[in-house]
Amino acid sequence: AQTVTQSQPEMSVQEAETVTLSCTYDTSENNYYLFWYKQPPSRQMILVIRQEAYKQQNATENRFSVNFQKAAKSFSLKISDSQLGDTAMYFCALGGANSKLTFGKGITLSVRP
Amino acid sequence: EAGVAQSPRYKIIEKRQSVAFWCNPISGHATLYWYQQILGQGPKLLIQFQNNGVVDDSQLPKDRFSAERLKGVDSTLKIQPAKLEDSAVYLCASSLDRAATNEKLFFGSGTQLSVL
Repeated sequence: AQTVTQSQPEMSVQEAETVTLSCTYDTSENNYYLFWYKQPPSRQMILVIRQEAYKQQNATENRFSVNFQKAAKSFSLKISDSQLGDTAMYFCALGGANSKLTFGKGITLSVRP
Repeated sequence: EAGVAQSPRYKIIEKRQSVAFWCNPISGHATLYWYQQILGQGPKLLIQFQNNGVVDDSQLPKDRFSAERLKGVDSTLKIQPAKLEDSAVYLCASSLDRAATNEKLFFGSGTQLSVL
């Protein structure tokens, strides 16, 4: 079985500042993938960034980057230059070659003007 | 490109009634997923289709939930009879293929179900 833990229920950040969202996971697979999805109030989940476990280099997508620590089974998301449109719930997710996609409980991020 | 379409957006029913949700995935996407998202939790996979065949329905409460994707395109999810604990957002998602598990999922806006 695989698990995803997001222990922070909510965070707040000032516009233009940087915020880091934490995620830890557990899996018995060697070949797996990690994702961060954003869910705004419209409810439509959108992929923010993904990381293949076999890649050592941390993934980046514009203002979004991850800190992937494989040994520690940690996968945090850093949002730089936070914008009001970043206000949403963020879900960490884990998928494997032999297992379904598992989501964490999510974290509510509020960006203050 | 049109996204994943879901209807209705909201539904309120009384317990023991039946309800159905509809999903039309992105054109050409072979894989379709139904997720249940209870308030305060992450989405939980109910059922996964590859074309019109079921790949995974291990977490689908089969005594009351059913789903079909007859022509390998759109899909319906039904609950009969509904219970209070079925109150949740039901999300539909699609992807090009299931073979690669790093596939990007495209989600619809979901149906928010309230069972009174």
